[in-house]
Amino acid sequence: DVKVTQSSRYLVKRTGEKVFLECVQDMDHENMFWYRQDPGLGLRLIYFSYDVKMKEKGDIPEGYSVSREKKERFSLILESASTNQTSMYLCASSSEGLAGTDTQYFGPGTRLTVL
Amino acid sequence: QKEVEQNSGPLSVPEGAIASLNCTYSDRGSQSFFWYRQYSGKSPELIMSIYSNGDKEDGRFTAQLNKASQYVSLLIRDSQPSDSATYLCAVNNIGTGNQFYFGTGTSLTVIP
Repeated sequence: DVKVTQSSRYLVKRTGEKVFLECVQDMDHENMFWYRQDPGLGLRLIYFSYDVKMKEKGDIPEGYSVSREKKERFSLILESASTNQTSMYLCASSSEGLAGTDTQYFGPGTRLTVL
Repeated sequence: QKEVEQNSGPLSVPEGAIASLNCTYSDRGSQSFFWYRQYSGKSPELIMSIYSNGDKEDGRFTAQLNKASQYVSLLIRDSQPSDSATYLCAVNNIGTGNQFYFGTGTSLTVIP
């Protein structure tokens, strides 16, 4: 069964803190993604990765960085958290992307609040 | 122009009725189309994927794809209160990378 897990369901941090969000998938997927979801704005892609140690910027990478040292793990880092980064963060993974195998599977999400 | 457009709703249907959700997309080269269901406070879960023109049925759900019109829809037959959720349409053009484009979702309420 497909499984994507995220390190925390809820997280509260203070402005200026460095925040780590971790995502692990057990499906041997090549592709991993980080999104944030805000009311009225839908899902917005922050960063994605096609392979270990590889990363690509999405639509809103400012204020974020990522790390993929192992195939199954993709971390999102908020270098200095700000209140406008309060959001639901969703991790997803997918196989290498041939039609029919490109479904993205989501983790449970992390609700981050920055005070 | 938005890549993927959905009517945000809310859409309300009585229990037992057919709910019809619609989505249009702008990238004519898109090959993969998905419907996700998202309950409030939860993450999206896949309902259907469709890759070829026509209809694809899975239980009470039918996805319809018309690439010429750049249109994909989801029909939910015999709607149940448990179907009340936000439905996200997603589109992928594998040739330009594996970035999904998501609509902002349609909120569906099934009234008992």
